[in-house]
Amino acid sequence: DQQVKQNSPSLSVQEGRISILNCDYTNSMFDYFLWYKKYPAEGPTFLISISSIKDKNEDGRFTVFLNKSAKHLSLHIVPSQPGDSAVYFCAASVTGNQFYFGTGTSLTVIP
Amino acid sequence: DADVTQTPRNRITKTGKRIMLECSQTKGHDRMYWYRQDPGLGLRLIYYSFDVKDINKGEISDGYSVSRQAQAKFSLSLESAIPNQTALYFCATRGGQNLYNEQFFGPGTRLTVL
Repeated sequence: DQQVKQNSPSLSVQEGRISILNCDYTNSMFDYFLWYKKYPAEGPTFLISISSIKDKNEDGRFTVFLNKSAKHLSLHIVPSQPGDSAVYFCAASVTGNQFYFGTGTSLTVIP
Repeated sequence: DADVTQTPRNRITKTGKRIMLECSQTKGHDRMYWYRQDPGLGLRLIYYSFDVKDINKGEISDGYSVSRQAQAKFSLSLESAIPNQTALYFCATRGGQNLYNEQFFGPGTRLTVL
């Protein structure tokens, strides 16, 4: 059973606007969450992470929000740029052992 | 040079053949992982290893085996390939000193089993 879910397979956003990618999880023991970005023909690359003791982490244009009560995290990209067009995966783990990935959301930023 | 390399990058094989996918890393990480990616299913963990003497099954290990030949090398084998093992395979590494750090992925191997 999928422990990490990304219910939106795709998202299109105008350049300069905000992109919001969502992720839900079922395991309340997860204590570390990450977002990866993947371009075609490349492996995923790390984008940003958050531990369960925080509810927000920011790195430049990227912010991750964690709502533990709702078992939900989101990635905000502001402002969105065409180079942000990629597939985004969220992932979660318990104390950094196994990592469970969502199914991915394909983001297209329209110039 | 890439920190995590995978060979081959593409492979077409036939049902029943044995095939090995190789992963090498220069990051000095002790933890290595094998994932497969399928459309609509994301990345799923096949096997992982925390050091040369430690091998663990992941979510979908049936039909696969692994070998950790050295800290820097982790191989994935399909003893008798079948068509539903057609997928994109990724190797990843991670340093073990910090519980809260990210994985570094190789470029992937696209495997097609006919």
